[in-house]
Amino acid sequence: QVQLVESGGGVVQPGRSLRLSCAASGFTFKNYGMQWVRQAPGKGLEWVAVISYDGTAKIYADSVKGRFTISRDSSKNTLYLQMNSLRPEDTAVYYCAKERVARTSPDFDYWGQGALVTVSS
Amino acid sequence: DIQMTQSPSSVSASVGDRVTITCRASQGISSRLAWYQQKLGKAPKLLIYAASSLQTGVPSRFSGSGSGTDFTLTISSLQPEDFATYYCQQSNGFPWTFGQGTKVEVK
Repeated sequence: QVQLVESGGGVVQPGRSLRLSCAASGFTFKNYGMQWVRQAPGKGLEWVAVISYDGTAKIYADSVKGRFTISRDSSKNTLYLQMNSLRPEDTAVYYCAKERVARTSPDFDYWGQGALVTVSS
Repeated sequence: DIQMTQSPSSVSASVGDRVTITCRASQGISSRLAWYQQKLGKAPKLLIYAASSLQTGVPSRFSGSGSGTDFTLTISSLQPEDFATYYCQQSNGFPWTFGQGTKVEVK
């Protein structure tokens, strides 16, 4: 069965960096686009970034552009989110998600359990 | 950016009720709209994609309609497990954006 497991969350000071990982299993990872979505405490969902199945296309929300980098390693079936210059407003649960249909669909059918990132001094 | 506005922000309903949630886009998005359900402390769950297609495994009491700027999610007969928050998301243009959410509460 499809599983997405995020790791790497934690408490970090403003201005520091953190890298989230999303380990994928149960499907052919290299064929599927992936995304990151976040949710601040008590707030709604905010789209963060998406990466194409082959890693050649990466698109970011304006709020993270230039600070966050999405990447993937198909040899490890893992998606990453490198977060630099973190701000308190980046505090959120971060979810990774898999696109529904390989290489084509802009909707996402499997989601991880989420990783909490807290940016605080 | 394309703004997605959901209404109402919350709705109080009873088991068996018909519930309708609306999502309006600030510009036309064709049918590039998905609906997600999120329960407290859990990840979102895909219900509807391409505005009106039911995701595999989702009960048929859920349905979606609309195109262009106006979309609707309908729950035909609310069940106890349907009390949750619902979000629409457009994927017609970047950045992809979500509505602010609609909380379906017990009346």
